[in-house]
Amino acid sequence: DTAVSQTPKYLVTQMGNDKSIKCEQNLGHDTMYWYKQDSKKFLKIMFSYNNKELIINETVPNRFSPKSPDKAHLNLHINSLELGDSAVYFCASSQEWAYEQYFGPGTRLTVT
Amino acid sequence: AQSVTQLDSQVPVFEEAPVELRCNYSSSVSVYLFWYVQYPNQGLQLLLKYLSGSTLVKGINGFEAEFNKSQTSFHLRKPSVHISDTAEYFCAVSEGNAGNMLTFGGGTRLMVKP
Repeated sequence: DTAVSQTPKYLVTQMGNDKSIKCEQNLGHDTMYWYKQDSKKFLKIMFSYNNKELIINETVPNRFSPKSPDKAHLNLHINSLELGDSAVYFCASSQEWAYEQYFGPGTRLTVT
Repeated sequence: AQSVTQLDSQVPVFEEAPVELRCNYSSSVSVYLFWYVQYPNQGLQLLLKYLSGSTLVKGINGFEAEFNKSQTSFHLRKPSVHISDTAEYFCAVSEGNAGNMLTFGGGTRLMVKP
């Protein structure tokens, strides 16, 4: 069983489009995250969310928004895609704030 | 604000040789420390973690790391590497507060040669 899954694995789209990436975890965790990994492999937190609180990294443009239909899902919606949004996006989950995070396989987004 | 520095972007090593991947962090509060491994075209897998207690932490695949508070370091070691250890290794720190946002180092590519 996959612990943290993401769909799609690859996403190619044009500038200006709106797209979503889905994330699901079956670990029973209550906290989920989104990270962005750029072309130089640098990883940066975007959002941290549980049923009590959404923490947003202040550097994330407001074109990015997390949406959580339930505790097991945290989807990432991106409006008006830009070339600089091309990256690999990772979803992760953990039990409570202070424990290790488990990562999904990543979604490679290419904006043309 | 916390930050993490991985001093080596690439570490080439021969198979069966020992290896050390260096990680230094800065934070004004107590931290939790992690090492993750990323194999090509895959997600991140947790190798080991330091939350509290013994400063020598053992992880999967024969890796271990030592937390040194005075030097603010958390170096990763393995006494004998295999070809299959070739991957990108990331050190990360969390302050464990609300948000639990991991701050990652820039990564170290371990290249194991036969």
